Amino acid sequence: DTAVSQTPKYLVTQMGNDKSIKCEQNLGHDTMYWYKQDSKKFLKIMFSYNNKELIINETVPNRFSPKSPDKAHLNLHINSLELGDSAVYFCASSQRQPNEKLFFGSGTQLSVL
Amino acid sequence: GQNIDQPTEMTATEGAIVQINCTYQTSGFNGLFWYQQHAGEAPTFLSYNVLDGLEEKGRFSSFLSRSKGYSYLLLKELQMKDSASYLCAVRDSGGYQKVTFGTGTKLQVIP
Repeated sequence: DTAVSQTPKYLVTQMGNDKSIKCEQNLGHDTMYWYKQDSKKFLKIMFSYNNKELIINETVPNRFSPKSPDKAHLNLHINSLELGDSAVYFCASSQRQPNEKLFFGSGTQLSVL
Repeated sequence: GQNIDQPTEMTATEGAIVQINCTYQTSGFNGLFWYQQHAGEAPTFLSYNVLDGLEEKGRFSSFLSRSKGYSYLLLKELQMKDSASYLCAVRDSGGYQKVTFGTGTKLQVIP
């Protein structure tokens, strides 16, 4: 009965490869997000979708392409991986109300070698 | 845009009280959150303030002053399990109500 689940938990890959991270939420939330947490633990928003529509895109390289097939799923595809992409990627969801908290997935630790 | 500042690290003694400060400068404000993140885990929600004043929840309290762009998280009766990072986050008032996180404060509780 996990609320926000993302897979895989760990991803180790070579530079130049393409990889995907999947996220699903069973909370009935309207809005889903991808956040990147770097080695200094700074959590930075990348994308947000509301009812499958992209509403936030924070100057992320276009090698990163989010896809939301329905409002319960938000996947992240990354092309031509670079060393600097190594980080923990968190999926999150919320209702689109001011006081609604974010529910985070357990994170995907991506290591690019 | 948002600019959010917190101390990088703090150390406190088990059983004591600690206050973690957060200052912010925003182009629009629609609420401030505190999240707790244990090492290797996801952030989890602690508190939400949108009006000035103190919100108390058990051992944790959060304060907001909108005019000063200032908040603090107060942790009482510290326990070893409170060792974690504490993230201040601000929601803006734009149509998409983006939530921006500060750099987090790593709290170490010592015996």
